[in-house]
Order: sequence, then structure tokens, then C-alpha cells
Amino acid sequence: ETGVTQSPTHLIKTRGQQVTLRCSSQSGHNTVSWYQQALGQGPQFIFQYYREEENGRGNFPPRFSGLQFPNYSSELNVNALELDDSALYLCASSLEGGGTPQGETQYFGPGTRLLVL
Amino acid sequence: AQTVTQSQPEMSVQEAETVTLSCTYDTSESNYYLFWYKQPPSRQMILVIRQEAYKQQNATENRFSVNFQKAAKSFSLKISDSQLGDTAMYFCAFMNAGGTSYGKLTFGQGTILTVHP
Repeated sequence: ETGVTQSPTHLIKTRGQQVTLRCSSQSGHNTVSWYQQALGQGPQFIFQYYREEENGRGNFPPRFSGLQFPNYSSELNVNALELDDSALYLCASSLEGGGTPQGETQYFGPGTRLLVL
Repeated sequence: AQTVTQSQPEMSVQEAETVTLSCTYDTSESNYYLFWYKQPPSRQMILVIRQEAYKQQNATENRFSVNFQKAAKSFSLKISDSQLGDTAMYFCAFMNAGGTSYGKLTFGQGTILTVHP
């Protein structure tokens, strides 16, 4: 176990709806990254939040947005859901700027499985 | 942009034997990190091993070791004394040590490893 938690574990939505996924980072970590993992493929980077600011974004449209809270937990919001958004959504926490060589290592939560019908 | 390639979609090994998973990557950067993650059927991504590009010594973690060939841009994972619990999807991942894509993990397509009793 990594200490990173995500909720909910599973979610079913219909096309056009909006969804919010949640992530609690590992104790002592200040950075959360979100990834989308389609079935049978490697995760794709969506974006990263560091100290409540977006700190890098992958090739995802603006309808994917996020937040990070003062306690470093984070939300991923997806608007206008499309069928292709069906995937496992992973969050990972890390300690950036901590001055340690292990700071860049990202520790993953169990993921949220989203199905869009 | 960085790319990571895992050319072995599936591998199998007998319990107690040794197996090597291959990974190559492409980057113009000189300072970066490489990781191997394991994703068992329960789906939580677990860090197996990490390598800093500036270190010539290959990383080892108990039964897991890497063969890092920087010039060849190769980063293979060797699992010794394979155990049934090693059955999982294994992902090779790359992260820049700085620049605009710092903090973003780029994953390969994964290798499904099955350990047979």
C-alpha cells in the first residue's frame, strides 16, 4: 500500500455528463499527478498539481480540469463525457522540492474505473 | 518528446527462474530518471525500482535489478528467483529531471509477466 487513496473505486456515467474524481496524497507529499489508463495500455499523463497550481499538462482537452486543496488532496473533473473517456484514472503523489533524491518518485493510488455509456 | 518502448507484450517464466524484461527509450535530455512499475491484477501500480541517469551503477532492489545502458538508451529489468506474486503487468517509465516536462511520467505499453508454478 502506498498511502494514496482514491474515490470512488468505480463509476458509471452517460455521455455528456460531468464527473469528479478524488485523490488523497500520501502523508508528507505536496504534489499530485493524474493519469488516464485505457484498457491494456500504459498510463497517459493528464496534468500535475504542485502547491495548488497546475504544474504541467499532457495532451488532454480543457474539459479535463483539476484542483488541489491546501491539504494537498486533489480532484479531477471531466466535463461533457465522451465514450473514449472510459478508462482507469490514476493519481500519484510525490514530494517535489524536498531536496531528496527520492522526491521525484511518484506513488500511485488504486485508481477509479470510469465507464461512460 | 520522449518515447518509451517495451517490445515484449507478454513473457512467462517458471517459478524460481530468472526473467529479463526489455525497455528502450528515446530522449535528447542528458539528465533523467527511469522507473519500473508493477501493476498486479488488483491494479494498484507499485514502484519496483528506480534509476538516476547520472549514476553509472545499476540499481538493485532485492531480487530486482536493472541493466542501464545510457548510450544505447536501454533499461532492462531482471527478476531473479521469480515468485508467483511477481505475476503482473510491468511498465517502464521515463521522467525528465528538469525542464517543462519535469514531473511527467512517460510510460511504455507494458509487458504482461506470468510466473508459472
